[in-house]
Amino acid sequence: ETGVTQSPTHLIKTRGQQVTLRCSSQSGHNTVSWYQQALGQGPQFIFQYYREEENGRGNFPPRFSGLQFPNYSSELNVNALELDDSALYLCASSPRAGAYQETQYFGPGTRLLVL
Amino acid sequence: AQTVTQSQPEMSVQEAETVTLSCTYDTSESDYYLFWYKQPPSRQMILVIRQEAYKQQNATENRFSVNFQKAAKSFSLKISDSQLGDAAMYFCAYKGVRGGSEKLVFGKGTKLTVNP
Repeated sequence: ETGVTQSPTHLIKTRGQQVTLRCSSQSGHNTVSWYQQALGQGPQFIFQYYREEENGRGNFPPRFSGLQFPNYSSELNVNALELDDSALYLCASSPRAGAYQETQYFGPGTRLLVL
Repeated sequence: AQTVTQSQPEMSVQEAETVTLSCTYDTSESDYYLFWYKQPPSRQMILVIRQEAYKQQNATENRFSVNFQKAAKSFSLKISDSQLGDAAMYFCAYKGVRGGSEKLVFGKGTKLTVNP
């Protein structure tokens, strides 16, 4: 069984640029959540996707957007990068049956540095 | 809004000894889940243990066990027979069951050092 994978592992961008991060969910998992983890902090929820639709969003501006594809993989896009966007971005997948969502399992993360 | 507090930024333990990490949370919901995740320097968040709020029995996974006190909104993690590989950041997390999005709410973490 393949776990959650993320790409790239590291990324360096400059202020104002745009970035796309990718996540492949664990086999059998149809829900993907994205989190931002600043240095020395716990992860903060960005948004969640279920069946290709956004299914909840945290306190992040609209320049953070996402997609989920029919194979349940997902992308996180960030436009107009700011220095404070430098963080570890974590993707988590979980199975969902009806209204019940199971435990979230995390990928290794993408470390983004904005200069 | 739900909040999770981990009051111990750092803890240390001798190899083979027992250590307890503290976590408190605030919620108005009666049904929810609580988790402990471990994040080693490799960065990957690894599930350690999970507790359903409706279960009175404390969850146990090998050397890891929790003390879940629902009325006190407390959820501590006990690691027995500590091993060098247990050294990591430990995050306590809350997940509600209402609504369409069951997001995880994390504490700020406790850094655990295991001394040989």
